[in-house]
Amino acid sequence: DAGITQSPRHKVTETGTPVTLRCHQTENHRYMYWYRQDPGHGLRLIHYSYGVKDTDKGEVSDGYSVSRSKTEDFLLTLESATSSQTSVYFCAISETSGPDTQYFGPGTRLTVL
Amino acid sequence: KQEVTQIPAALSVPEGENLVLNCSFTDSAIYNLQWFRQDPGKGLTSLLLIQSSQREQTSGRLNASLDKSSGRSTLYIAASQPGDSATYLCAAISGGYQKVTFGTGTKLQVIP
Repeated sequence: DAGITQSPRHKVTETGTPVTLRCHQTENHRYMYWYRQDPGHGLRLIHYSYGVKDTDKGEVSDGYSVSRSKTEDFLLTLESATSSQTSVYFCAISETSGPDTQYFGPGTRLTVL
Repeated sequence: KQEVTQIPAALSVPEGENLVLNCSFTDSAIYNLQWFRQDPGKGLTSLLLIQSSQREQTSGRLNASLDKSSGRSTLYIAASQPGDSATYLCAAISGGYQKVTFGTGTKLQVIP
C-alpha cells in the first residue's frame, strides 16, 4: 500500500469552529488531492496541489483552504465549519498529473453539529 | 460538464457467478477511465486503468472495457467470491487528475 496517512481519522466538531485535516505521504509524489465523499454525489475534488506551495481549486472549493509547505504534507482547513461540510474526506496522491494511478488515504470522517 | 452514472446502485449475487458492472459517461473526450474498489471505512484501491487509446485491461479475474464512442465502460468479474464484496467506483479522467469525475458506485454483495 502507498504510504498515505490522514489525521484525525474521526472528528466531531461544532458549527463555526475551525478544523484542519492533515494528509501525510511518504512516497515523495508531486501531486496531492483532497476529495469529499457524500451519498449520492460520489467523490468530488476540493483542492489539489501540484508542488510545494502550488495549489488550485477543485469542483467544490468554497469554504475550504489548503496549504502545502512540504512535499509530504497537505493540509485542508475549514475556516468556520458548517453542517454541510459533514462528510468523509479523502486525500490522494499521484506521481504525475495523469494518466496515472491515484493512491488514496484511509479517509477522515468529519461530523459538524 | 461530465456526468458519470453507475447502474445498478447495488447488486447481490451468489458466489461463483460471473457479473458485469456498468459505468456510463456523458463526455467522450476523456483521457482515461479508472475502476476502483472501496471497502467499508476504507479508502479507494485502484483496480484497473484504461487509457483512451485502449479498449480493455485485464487483471486476474477482472476485465474492464472502454467504448468511448458510446460513453460506456464495463467491469467484468469472473467467478465471484465473497471477498469481492465491496463498492466499485468508476472515474472518468479528462485531462489531469484535477478533472476527474467519479460515479456514485455499485455496492456488490457476493453471497457464499
